[in-house]
Amino acid sequence: EAQVTQNPRYLITVTGKKLTVTCSQNMNHEYMSWYRQDPGLGLRQIYYSMNVEVTDKGDVPEGYKVSRKEKRNFPLILESPSPNQTSLYFCASQDSEGDEQYFGPGTRLTVT
Amino acid sequence: DQQVKQNSPSLSVQEGRISILNCDYTNSMFDYFLWYKKYPAEGPTFLISISSIKDKNEDGRFTVFLNKSAKHLSLHIVPSQPGDSAVYFCAASGGRAARQLTFGSGTQLTVLP
Repeated sequence: EAQVTQNPRYLITVTGKKLTVTCSQNMNHEYMSWYRQDPGLGLRQIYYSMNVEVTDKGDVPEGYKVSRKEKRNFPLILESPSPNQTSLYFCASQDSEGDEQYFGPGTRLTVT
Repeated sequence: DQQVKQNSPSLSVQEGRISILNCDYTNSMFDYFLWYKKYPAEGPTFLISISSIKDKNEDGRFTVFLNKSAKHLSLHIVPSQPGDSAVYFCAASGGRAARQLTFGSGTQLTVLP
């Protein structure tokens, strides 16, 4: 089954404790992206990757890091999480020919 | 400043009637528009798209209309069904090949049986 998977689905952590949210897709898509969803703001792009070893900032990159060492994986790293990073996070992928982005199920992160 | 705006946070419609969801944008560089649907505890799923060279695109019960001069698009669902109850996001990009999407804040559609 074609899908985008994210882990963990839920995470509660404390300020300053480094964490990684994994994202993997099995569709051989070149493009991958991370978004955060906040009430009243919709989805905002954090980082994106056009292909392996090619990443770039989206609209709200501060406080986040990403890497793209393999085509299928695109982890999101929070080196020192803060409460304002409490949000619902989505990973997405898209191939070079298609219209649509395929989204993962989301990761709900709470930073206390 | 939000470049894609959905001014109605929620909309309730009776089953069988038409649902109309609206979206406005400010960036003239946007030329490709998409609608996504999102159920609770799931990621958004693609619904329908339209290029700026068209003013209408239809897919079954779903039709998207684009008014470029007004920088406005709308999604029509006819007839509405209870399973259509979800949050609908409008998104825009600088072309079909572009991957960076700018999303609106979403509209919660509730279809009443």
